[in-house]
Order: sequence, then structure tokens, then C-alpha cells
Amino acid sequence: QSVLTQPPSVSGAPGQRVTISCTGNSFNIGGGYDVHWYQQLPGTAPKLVIYGNTHRPSGVPDRFSGSNSGSSASLAITGLQAEDEADYYCLSYDSSLSGSGVFGTGTKVTVL
Amino acid sequence: QITLKESGPTLVKPTQTLTLTCSFSGFSLSSSGVGVAWIRQPPGEALEWLAIIYWDEDKRYSPSLKNRLSITKDTSKNQVVLTMTNMDPVDTATYYCGHRGDSSGYIDYWGQGALVTVSS
Repeated sequence: QSVLTQPPSVSGAPGQRVTISCTGNSFNIGGGYDVHWYQQLPGTAPKLVIYGNTHRPSGVPDRFSGSNSGSSASLAITGLQAEDEADYYCLSYDSSLSGSGVFGTGTKVTVL
Repeated sequence: QITLKESGPTLVKPTQTLTLTCSFSGFSLSSSGVGVAWIRQPPGEALEWLAIIYWDEDKRYSPSLKNRLSITKDTSKNQVVLTMTNMDPVDTATYYCGHRGDSSGYIDYWGQGALVTVSS
């Protein structure tokens, strides 16, 4: 079981805003480690959509945004589109795990 | 352009040792700050971090699998090798390698993944 907890699923109609939380503790997010977010479409490798808590890689639409506060981080998708339907994972590092990386439990985003 | 590709057996028997190779191009694993990580994903399940090796030979393993994993690099061949001992059917997964190029720790480039099935 991962130390980073995400809701199993979130859903929204096209055009709506959805948020995905990633809850950790003082050894990971709360300890100052950055959070990164990935989108994974079925049968494909994960794709980076947010790095360093708030930064978007080149080519990622600006409807994706990231934030964090304390021991939690969030990914927001505004103006939800059908192509955003995918699994999303957060990634951070954890000092209690010998500095190993740790992924969140994953969230399925469904576009209604 | 950075690319990575995993290679290795698609089928291993229980108790055997798995050896996977990540062959990459477009970067050097001798450059400061660079790392190559291994991540796996059982069918229908979440991503799981396995290990990472850095440019300076520092290695970090998932504590839950530390006793079974070994990660090494061959800078001259642009390869990183992951070995996992005592394979079990629960280790059936797609295994990915990825490039870490920033101290922030994100994996920005991924291989296509290699499905490994553990079965007798």
C-alpha cells in the first residue's frame, strides 16, 4: 500500500473542473519533496503533466495545473475534455523509504 | 532526443531471477544529476517504484523489495540492468525504465515498457 493516497476515481462533465488529491505525510510531501503528476492512457507509458508541484512541461495544455499545501498536493483539470479520461498518478520521494521514489495509489478520471 | 527501451524475458518461472536491461540514448549517465529508474505496474494496478541509480553510482531501492533487487549501470554501453531474484507470480507486471534528469526527481522520459509474466 502506497504512502501517497489518492481518491480511486473522480468524474466530471465536459467543460467542468475536477481535482485529484495526493495525501502524504511529513516524510514525503510534508518534508519538502516535490510532487509530480502523470497521466496514463490504457496500454501506454505514463506521461508527465506536472513537475515540481506546479510546472507544466512543454506541450501540456494549460487546463492542467498543480498545487500543494502541507502534506498534500492536488492536480486540477479545468475545461475537462474527453481526451482527459485516463489514470493519474502522483510521484514524490520519501525519506523514511531510504530516499526512494513513491507513487500515489492512482485516480481514474472519467468524463461523463 | 532521449529514448529508452526495456528488454528481457517475457516469461520467467517462479523462483527464477529476472534480468532486465534498459538501453538508452540521448543522454549520458555520467552527467551530474542524471538517474535511471525502474518502475513496474501489475495488470490493472498502480505504478510501483522499484529502484534508481544515479550518475554518481548512488542507488536507492524500494525498501519492500530491497532484498531482491540489484541495479547496475554500464555507462559505456548506455545501459542500466535490473535484477530481481526469487520471482513469484505476483511479480507479473509491465516493467518500465525512465530517465530522471532534474534534482526535483521527476521521470520525464519513459520506455515503452516490457511485460514480464511469472508462471510455471
